[in-house]
Amino acid sequence: LAKTTQPISMDSYEGQEVNITCSHNNIATNDYITWYQQFPSQGPRFIIQGYKTKVTNEVASLFIPADRKSSTLSLPRVSLSDTAVYYCLVGEMDSSYKLIFGSGTRLLVRP
Amino acid sequence: DTGVSQDPRHKITKRGQNVTFRCDPISEHNRLYWYRQTLGQGPEFLTYFQNEAQLEKSRLLSDRFSAERPKGSFSTLEIQRTEQGDSAMYLCASRARDTSNEKLFFGSGTQLSVL
Repeated sequence: LAKTTQPISMDSYEGQEVNITCSHNNIATNDYITWYQQFPSQGPRFIIQGYKTKVTNEVASLFIPADRKSSTLSLPRVSLSDTAVYYCLVGEMDSSYKLIFGSGTRLLVRP
Repeated sequence: DTGVSQDPRHKITKRGQNVTFRCDPISEHNRLYWYRQTLGQGPEFLTYFQNEAQLEKSRLLSDRFSAERPKGSFSTLEIQRTEQGDSAMYLCASRARDTSNEKLFFGSGTQLSVL
């Protein structure tokens, strides 16, 4: 499973766009990139997943360059409620699909 | 609410006691996972079930830990002779039968404190 590297923490202000970049230099051909969000005292929650180029849903966008060695989660116009830990995960969607979490990025959104 | 229920939400026990946690996954999900999370760290994989079969166990799962999913529905995680190092949040997650469904749905976890 490819190892991921992401910033330990980030600060932002309400209304700003936040971009969290994750490095995964050893990503394999069959690996997908997935981001989860976790609030205190809750389990992680799926945000978005992609394989290449750009994926957008109602919550976020995921940008993946052609070499797929990194990815960027983009949160548009963050609010205080977006304060959470964000995890970048890389893995193959095989039958077990065991997710391996790193330490994540702690995002603090200030008023 | 993700639809994955865990009970209890909190458990305080004394060192050496046995504890058991329960997870009720989303009903149509045949894949079930247990994770453990300590403060400031990401969740660590413990074990995985497909239906009632336990297909994978982490080496983190010592012989004091046992997990079951007797009828392929709910699951239990038992820790025998608890140690202070077992204090953590224990998370359960489930996933749908269709392997193209990439989402894991997590419960809110059971917070274990071993005194």
